[in-house]
Amino acid sequence: GAVVSQHPSWVICKSGTSVKIECRSLDFQATTMFWYRQFPKQSLMLMATSNEGSKATYEQGVEKDKFLINHASLTLSTLTVTSAHPEDSSFYICSARSWGTEYGPQHFGDGTRLSIL
Amino acid sequence: KQEVTQIPAALSVPEGENLVLNCSFTDSAIYNLQWFRQDPGKGLTSLLLIQSSQREQTSGRLNASLDKSSGRSTLYIAASQPGDSATYLCAVESGSARQLTFGSGTQLTVLP
Repeated sequence: GAVVSQHPSWVICKSGTSVKIECRSLDFQATTMFWYRQFPKQSLMLMATSNEGSKATYEQGVEKDKFLINHASLTLSTLTVTSAHPEDSSFYICSARSWGTEYGPQHFGDGTRLSIL
Repeated sequence: KQEVTQIPAALSVPEGENLVLNCSFTDSAIYNLQWFRQDPGKGLTSLLLIQSSQREQTSGRLNASLDKSSGRSTLYIAASQPGDSATYLCAVESGSARQLTFGSGTQLTVLP
């Protein structure tokens, strides 16, 4: 149980393109989802916390107008990287926390590797 | 601000050896600590979760300990195998938002 699906797993696109990444909880409802970014040889850094039906909370230094987060349902959150540039190339990972077990563990997706040419 | 440090950054051992990975954190007011495994280009696999009230957790050949007051945790891997080769990440949950703060990881290579 507690499976989180992330799509796509890999995307390559031209500079200036907007890219949408989906994060779905397959067998549980998630009131809270988290988005992380991981640069090569570095650890995961929290970008934002996404709560269903409300605006996301962004970490310091993360541009909310560039990284648009929508959490429209209890099973889906999306991250849109707008007008992506090569410096946005990274590994993006989402996680979800079960509804009803608000302080349960975060379950992680398999990540999306984004390469901007 | 919570900071998590992992030592060593990289470790190479021959198959069969027992080994210890270290994790330290600056703010002892944590809810729990987790150890994850990450294979190259992949997501995270949760290995062990230790609640703040616990001292250790075991799963198979893995044993994790937690000393909250000193801000330290260790992950002990017994009888290491080549399949254990991966990056091991330590993360603590803390703060009002119960966020996870990750260490930079230990890259483990087990040589056959």
